[in-house]
Amino acid sequence: GAGVSQSPRYKVTKRGQDVALRCDPISGHVSLYWYRQALGQGPEFLTYFNYEAQQDKSGLPNDRFSAERPEGSISTLTIQRTEQRDSAMYRCASSPAERGGPDTQYFGPGTRLTVL
Amino acid sequence: AQKVTQAQTEISVVEKEDVTLDCVYETRDTTYYLFWYKQPPSGELVFLIRRNSFDEQNEISGRYSWNFQKSTSSFNFTITASQVVDSAVYFCALNLYNTDKLIFGTGTRLQVFP
Repeated sequence: GAGVSQSPRYKVTKRGQDVALRCDPISGHVSLYWYRQALGQGPEFLTYFNYEAQQDKSGLPNDRFSAERPEGSISTLTIQRTEQRDSAMYRCASSPAERGGPDTQYFGPGTRLTVL
Repeated sequence: AQKVTQAQTEISVVEKEDVTLDCVYETRDTTYYLFWYKQPPSGELVFLIRRNSFDEQNEISGRYSWNFQKSTSSFNFTITASQVVDSAVYFCALNLYNTDKLIFGTGTRLQVFP
């Protein structure tokens, strides 16, 4: 079956612009996660949804970052007033579990964001 | 605090050599899960294995094997008879039972030369 998909795969934007990154999880997966991966580092947790409810947003770096999953399927991560330090790979993952925790998270291909 | 350390930044081997990637984790929790993911040059993150803290049996899957030792808080990954296609960055990750986030190490870049 289809895996996690993300769009766009690459996004180049100018400082100060807003960007919206999309994630389409594996069909039937209840939990959805967003991570950010800087070059040469491992992914770092941003936020997590269980169905449409945002259960944990402790990893969002500041209030310019927000995420939603209004119908419990597709999710959008929005970054307002982008800054150069926001440049990174943004990864989405999904898992079948009804709550977070030990179930395996399957990752999408990521969106490479470059802020000029 | 929870932490995953992959001390080997980069490893280079010649094809058919065996190679072990080290992973050391820190947690005070008694229930947790450990993972390995592979990030090939194409960039995606591919799940390899998940182990829970109560299962210390080593696991073998083809040329891959994993050695989990709670006494040393390590979860090492061995590739036997490495191949060029094994070239990738490998990440070890920790997931505590009552949380929802994976804590990743910084990764080990493996280069296998023909």
